[in-house]
Amino acid sequence: AQKVTQAQTEISVVEKEDVTLDCVYETRDTTYYLFWYKQPPSGELVFLIRRNSFDEQNEISGRYSWNFQKSTSSFNFTITASQVVDSAVYFCALSSLRRETSGSRLTFGEGTQLTVNP
Amino acid sequence: EAQVTQNPRYLITVTGKKLTVTCSQNMNHEYMSWYRQDPGLGLRQIYYSMNVEVTDKGDVPEGYKVSRKEKRNFPLILESPSPNQTSLYFCASSLNRANYGYTFGSGTRLTVV
Repeated sequence: AQKVTQAQTEISVVEKEDVTLDCVYETRDTTYYLFWYKQPPSGELVFLIRRNSFDEQNEISGRYSWNFQKSTSSFNFTITASQVVDSAVYFCALSSLRRETSGSRLTFGEGTQLTVNP
Repeated sequence: EAQVTQNPRYLITVTGKKLTVTCSQNMNHEYMSWYRQDPGLGLRQIYYSMNVEVTDKGDVPEGYKVSRKEKRNFPLILESPSPNQTSLYFCASSLNRANYGYTFGSGTRLTVV
């Protein structure tokens, strides 16, 4: 079985603050993929990043960065200099290659509601 | 434009009245899936399909049916909707497996009264 935990239900920051969203995952598989999705108030799900279990390099994309630490089973997401437009629900998700059927499933965390106040 | 299209976006129905939510993708993806989103629970998979005529249950399949007669379409059927199926539903597709990441539709907000 696999599980994703996002312990922070809600986070509120003031614009220009840095904020980190935590994600901890559980899986018995050695090959797996981790994802972050953004859900703005309009409701759609927007893909942000995909990372496989063999690539522990951190990634930066503009104001976004991701820290993957296999030793602690964490895949945290940091927004630098947050903006009001970053306000959204953010989901961390996990998929593994263990079996044909497992590969079809993305297991999501509960989501973190981020509010960036002006 | 590559996309997953769900219809309708909003639906209010009464208990027991059969309904279908349509889903279509134009990316020639093999994998398609249905999720429901509920507060505090994240997204949970209802059903998925690995290809035409190949479907299987996800985590919360009770009360739902699906079919995959064509590669592009994956409708979700509620034969006898109940209030506990009030939720936000997402259809998604993936090139091969979920490991490639899913592209999601815009969602269908269903209310069963």
